[in-house]
Amino acid sequence: GQQLNQSPQSMFIQEGEDVSMNCTSSSIFNTWLWYKQDPGEGPVLLIALYKAGELTSNGRLTAQFGITRKDSFLNISASIPSDVGIYFCAGQTESSGGSNYKLTFGKGTLLTVNP
Amino acid sequence: NAGVTQTPKFRVLKTGQSMTLLCAQDMNHEYMYWYRQDPGMGLRLIHYSVGEGTTAKGEVPDGYNVSRLKKQNFLLGLESAAPSQTSVYFCASSYAGRRSPLHFGNGTRLTVT
Repeated sequence: GQQLNQSPQSMFIQEGEDVSMNCTSSSIFNTWLWYKQDPGEGPVLLIALYKAGELTSNGRLTAQFGITRKDSFLNISASIPSDVGIYFCAGQTESSGGSNYKLTFGKGTLLTVNP
Repeated sequence: NAGVTQTPKFRVLKTGQSMTLLCAQDMNHEYMYWYRQDPGMGLRLIHYSVGEGTTAKGEVPDGYNVSRLKKQNFLLGLESAAPSQTSVYFCASSYAGRRSPLHFGNGTRLTVT
């Protein structure tokens, strides 16, 4: 099956620093998604990318859909303590019926922010 | 709106016991999913449903069964629990269509001893 390589696995940073994480795949995806999971909760969607080359921001978060359709990155600027959590990328392929059940998730990046 | 609600939040089973995890959504979503999350493995799809009365296998379906008798509910069953099924289980739902994000519940932590 399709696999996503998400890196880094974990990051320890100081408050105020910028963060960058990425996902790569040998397969082409039509949609890239970035989710955040807080401890004890389910993942919550941060950013969705639907076109190759697309660059989208959501507050201090910026994500890009790679031109090759095989990669995506997420940047967080000026990190704060509440940015702590696990960040997941997910890639979606377009099924013949246009349904969205074929999501492949990366293994996650655990972010720790020291105040 | 409650969104996606999972019950129970925690459960401990002995090997061989059975149980059903319940998922309910109040967003009128067509699609529902069950994932399991294990350390270092990310989220893996167990089963999914694209509508009431329909179910399909995901990436890791063995040892699980599902039912979707009502649009708002999606049940995950373990007939004979095994220690390998110790995991955190997440239910999710979405509208049909490419640009419909998944909404996740808060998970059920299951331990099989």
